[in-house]
Amino acid sequence: QSALTQPPSASGSPGQSVTISCTGTSSDVGGYNYVSWYQQHPGKAPKAMIYEVSKRPSGVPDRFSGSKSGNTASLTVSGLQAEDEADYYCSSYAGSDTFVFGTGTKVTVL
Amino acid sequence: EVQVVESGGGLVQPGGSLRLACVASGFTFSKHWMHWVRQAPGKGLVWVSQIKTDGSTTGYADSVKGRFTISRDNAKNTLYLQMNSLRAEDTAVYYCTRGGIPGGVDYWGQGALVTVSS
Repeated sequence: QSALTQPPSASGSPGQSVTISCTGTSSDVGGYNYVSWYQQHPGKAPKAMIYEVSKRPSGVPDRFSGSKSGNTASLTVSGLQAEDEADYYCSSYAGSDTFVFGTGTKVTVL
Repeated sequence: EVQVVESGGGLVQPGGSLRLACVASGFTFSKHWMHWVRQAPGKGLVWVSQIKTDGSTTGYADSVKGRFTISRDNAKNTLYLQMNSLRAEDTAVYYCTRGGIPGGVDYWGQGALVTVSS
C-alpha cells in the first residue's frame, strides 16, 4: 500500500490550464477505474472533484476533468481561477477492500 | 442536508486506546459504505479503513491492521473506529467519510484530532 505519486506543486496563471499526474501501479490505478480526485483548502475538509476516473459529482464545474492512461491518472483544471488554489489528492481502489491516496499536489494560481 | 460529525478525539499516551464515533444524518446511513481517512499535521491524506453497509466486510490500511477496528451501528446511524496500541505516528485528524460515489467518498466530517504523546 504505497502512496500514489503526485508532483509536490503545480502552478498556472488565471485562465490557463494545469494538469496534475497521479502515478500508481497495475495493482491500483492501472487495475481499476476507481480513481478519484479531492480538493482541500487550508483548514477545510476535502471535497470530491472527480470519481471513476472522469466523472464529476453534482456541482463541480466542468473546468475540472480527469483521465487515465495505464498506471497514471491525471486531473486537468482549465480556465484557472483564484479559488482553485488548493491542495489536490488522487485516490484509487487498490483491491482487497483497500484504497490508497496520492502524496498531494499544491496548486498555486500565479 | 448530509452531515457526519466525529467525536472522541483527544490526547492519549503511546500504547493506549481511543474510540472515535461518527454520527450521520441527512441520508440513509445503512445504505452507504463508510470510511475513515486521516491526515497528520501538515501532511497528506491517508486512507485508514472502510466498512460495508451491513458491517459484513471491512478493509484496513497495512499501517493500522491488527490495531484498529471499524464497526457500525445502523440503528444509531453511527460509525466507530476503535484504536488500540496507539503510536506517535497515529497522531492525526481523523475524518469520517461517506462512500457515496463509486470507488470514492463524497461527504466528509470536520475531523477529530487524535494526539498520541507522553
